[in-house]
Amino acid sequence: KNQVEQSPQSLIILEGKNCTLQCNYTVSPFSNLRWYKQDTGRGPVSLTIMTFSENTKSNGRYTATLDADTKQSSLHITASQLSDSASYICVVSDRGSTLGRLYFGRGTQLTVWP
Amino acid sequence: EADIYQTPRYLVIGTGKKITLECSQTMGHDKMYWYQQDPGMELHLIHYSYGVNSTEKGDLSSESTVSRIRTEHFPLTLESARPSHTSQYLCASSPEDEAYTGELFFGEGSRLTVL
Repeated sequence: KNQVEQSPQSLIILEGKNCTLQCNYTVSPFSNLRWYKQDTGRGPVSLTIMTFSENTKSNGRYTATLDADTKQSSLHITASQLSDSASYICVVSDRGSTLGRLYFGRGTQLTVWP
Repeated sequence: EADIYQTPRYLVIGTGKKITLECSQTMGHDKMYWYQQDPGMELHLIHYSYGVNSTEKGDLSSESTVSRIRTEHFPLTLESARPSHTSQYLCASSPEDEAYTGELFFGEGSRLTVL
């Protein structure tokens, strides 16, 4: 079972609408959580990082939240644009080994329609 | 934009051919990685390097090999390609340990199709 689960698997919204993507994880001990955006045919690009002590962080129209107690994170996109169409990947890092490792979710495929 | 480049972007080859996927970065990062990505699936680490002459296998068993003779260059080689190797291969680099605040910078990927 993957230690990072994302939902929904895919999502279609109209331009201008808001949406929220979810990431639940079981990784322990927790170090940090990153949200990446991956455009079709491109490599992932980091949007934001959440550490244990952070609850909310914004990057333009993207707002990430983290609840370390329930091991849940969300990525909220406000006033969606066509360019937001992409896969959004949640990546959690642990501190279990000397150098840690990364756990990837399968991503949420977001499609924004005009 | 991250300065990490992969070539070729797309490759279609026949079974049994030897191929090398190139990856270069100009950021001076010590740490480099190769990931395999299939549609709808999570990225799987197949190789990583923490510096020159350092290479390790990742979590996903792979028949590929890598080398790290120069800091900026991390090529991946398949000696004899098979249809099961058909996938997207992503190269990444990081300026520090990714388990902390280190961010992964990805190339645009090499999509390999083996017939």
